[in-house]
Amino acid sequence: RKEVEQDPGPFNVPEGATVAFNCTYSNSASQSFFWYRQDCRKEPKLLMSVYSSGNEDGRFTAQLNRASQYISLLIRDSKLSDSATYLCVVNIYDTGGFKTIFGAGTRLFVKA
Amino acid sequence: SAVISQKPSRDICQRGTSLTIQCQVDSQVTMMFWYRQQPGQSLTLIATANQGSEATYESGFVIDKFPISRPNLTFSTLTVSNMSPEDSSIYLCSVVAGISETQYFGPGTRLLVL
Repeated sequence: RKEVEQDPGPFNVPEGATVAFNCTYSNSASQSFFWYRQDCRKEPKLLMSVYSSGNEDGRFTAQLNRASQYISLLIRDSKLSDSATYLCVVNIYDTGGFKTIFGAGTRLFVKA
Repeated sequence: SAVISQKPSRDICQRGTSLTIQCQVDSQVTMMFWYRQQPGQSLTLIATANQGSEATYESGFVIDKFPISRPNLTFSTLTVSNMSPEDSSIYLCSVVAGISETQYFGPGTRLLVL
C-alpha cells in the first residue's frame, strides 16, 4: 500500500463546477499536511497547508481528518486556470527522521 | 518562503557524459533535497543533501551515479554521471523552510540525453 494515495483522475469538469479531491495516508507519524499544485512542465507549488480545524482560501477549502487519516481539497466555482495536477503531501517524523511523501497527484481539467 | 534558482534550466547531453546541476537558495536552510520527475510521473526523491557530510541516498540511487555536494546552507549541486537516455527527466531541488516545514521547489532542470 502506498503511503499517500490519491485518485489519479483525470477529473474533467465544466467551468463553475465544484470538485473534490481525496487523499489518504497510512503512516500515523504524519505531522503536517499540504496540497500542492503542479502545472504542466512546471515545479510543484504550495497551494495550502491543511489543518484539523479546516482552512479556506478563497474558492479552496482543505480538511484533515486525523482519525480516518484522510485529507480533502474542495474547489468551488472552478476556473479554466484551475486545470493542473494537485498533489497531496505529508510530512512524517519517525525513527528514520523527517521525510516528505508526495501523492502521485490528481489531474484536473476544467472545460469552458 | 524560500526563493530557489537552478542552473541550467535545461540541457541536451550525449550519453556517457556528465552534467552538474546547481541549486541556490536565498536563505540558509537545513534541509535540502534532490528529486527526479519523469513525464507524467510523480516526484521521486533521489537524496537529501547534508551540509558538511555525505548525502543520504534513497533506495535505487547511489553516490557514484548521482554525486551531491552541499558546501554551505544555501547551495548544493547534483551531478548526473555517465548519462544514458534513461536519465532524461526533470531534476528538482527543494528546501524545507518555515514554521510549518513547507517544501519549496526550484524551477527544475530539464535534461534530455541522446
